[in-house]
Parts: sequence; structure tokens; C-alpha cells
Amino acid sequence: DSGVTQTPKHLITATGQRVTLRCSPRSGDLSVYWYQQSLDQGLQFLIQYYNGEERAKGNILERFSAQQFPDLHSELNLSSLELGDSALYFCASSVEWGGGETQYFGPGTRLLVL
Amino acid sequence: KNEVEQSPQNLTAQEGEFITINCSYSVGISALHWLQQHPGGGIVSLFMLSSGKKKHGRLIATINIQEKHSSLHITASHPRDSAVYICAVRSRTGNQFYFGTGTSLTVIP
Repeated sequence: DSGVTQTPKHLITATGQRVTLRCSPRSGDLSVYWYQQSLDQGLQFLIQYYNGEERAKGNILERFSAQQFPDLHSELNLSSLELGDSALYFCASSVEWGGGETQYFGPGTRLLVL
Repeated sequence: KNEVEQSPQNLTAQEGEFITINCSYSVGISALHWLQQHPGGGIVSLFMLSSGKKKHGRLIATINIQEKHSSLHITASHPRDSAVYICAVRSRTGNQFYFGTGTSLTVIP
């Protein structure tokens, strides 16, 4: 158990809908990352937040948005869903140490868009 | 062209064998990560490297910045090492991560 929690574990929805994925980082970790893993594209970095502020932006679509709240939990909002958005969505929190960081991954949310 | 290339794609080994997985990248990086993804889907971060070599138990990771190459070694492999191993690099600007397609390792008892 990494200490990172994600809800829900599974989500089935229809095209055009909007969903919210939630991530609670390990206690004390200030950074949260979001990743998407699909069968055809593999793992992709979406976005990183650090202590409430956006720190890095990867391949996140305009239909997707994220935020990190004052209690450090984060939400990833996916809207106007398409079939191709079906994937496993991971969040990770990290602790930085001298010269590096360790990321701790949550169990993922499996999204199926029908 | 993929920014991160891993080899081999698939690897089967007998228990006890020494295993090497290779990762080459084509972009400037601030760090390289090795990840392990279990059959159930969970991901564990094994190492973060920016230079040199790191060791944790039976796992050793090395990086050669000049050659843009990293290796992950597993000594005395065990069936519980069976997983997909993924190499990822963070760009020098820190704004992007690039992932390899993974190496699927099966260790046979």
C-alpha cells in the first residue's frame, strides 16, 4: 500500500459525459502527478501540481482539467468524454529529497467510456 | 520516433538468473525513473537517477548521461520479479515525462 488513495476504482460512463477522479496523496507529500495509461499509447504524463499550484503540464487535453485543493487532495476532471479516453488513470504523490524525488503511485481509476 | 526506447520488449528467465533491461533516450533530461508495474496494474517507483548508480536489494540501476543510456539489473531473479519494467525520463525543463513501452519480464521457477 503506497498510501495514495484514488476514487473511484472503476467508472463506466457514456460518450459526451463528464467525470471527476479524485486522488488523496500521502500525508505530507506536496506534489501530485496525474498519468493516463491506455493500451495503444502506454503511459502518458498529464499534469503535476505542487502545493496547490500547477508545476508542469504534459499531454493533457483541453477537455481535461485538474486542480489541487488546500488540503492537497487533487481532482482530475474529464469532460465531453470520447471512446478513446478509456484508460487507467493514475495519480502519484511525491516527496523531494536532496537531489531527487520518489513518486508513490495510487492504485488507479479504470475508466471505461461506452 | 519514441523519445525513450527499451529493450528487450519481452524477457523470460530462469529463477536465479542475472537480468539486464536497457533504456535509451534521445532528449535532454533532468532525471530518469525506473518503474515496476505488477500484473494487477499497480505501479511502484524503483529508482530515480540523475547520475551514476543506485542499488536497492537485488536491484541495481545505472545511468550514463553522455551516452543517454540506463540499465536496470536484477541479480538472483525470482518469480516475484515477474512484472513490466518501465523506463521514464523527465525533460531537462521539467515540463514533460517520456515513457518507454516497457519490458515484460517473466521469471520461471
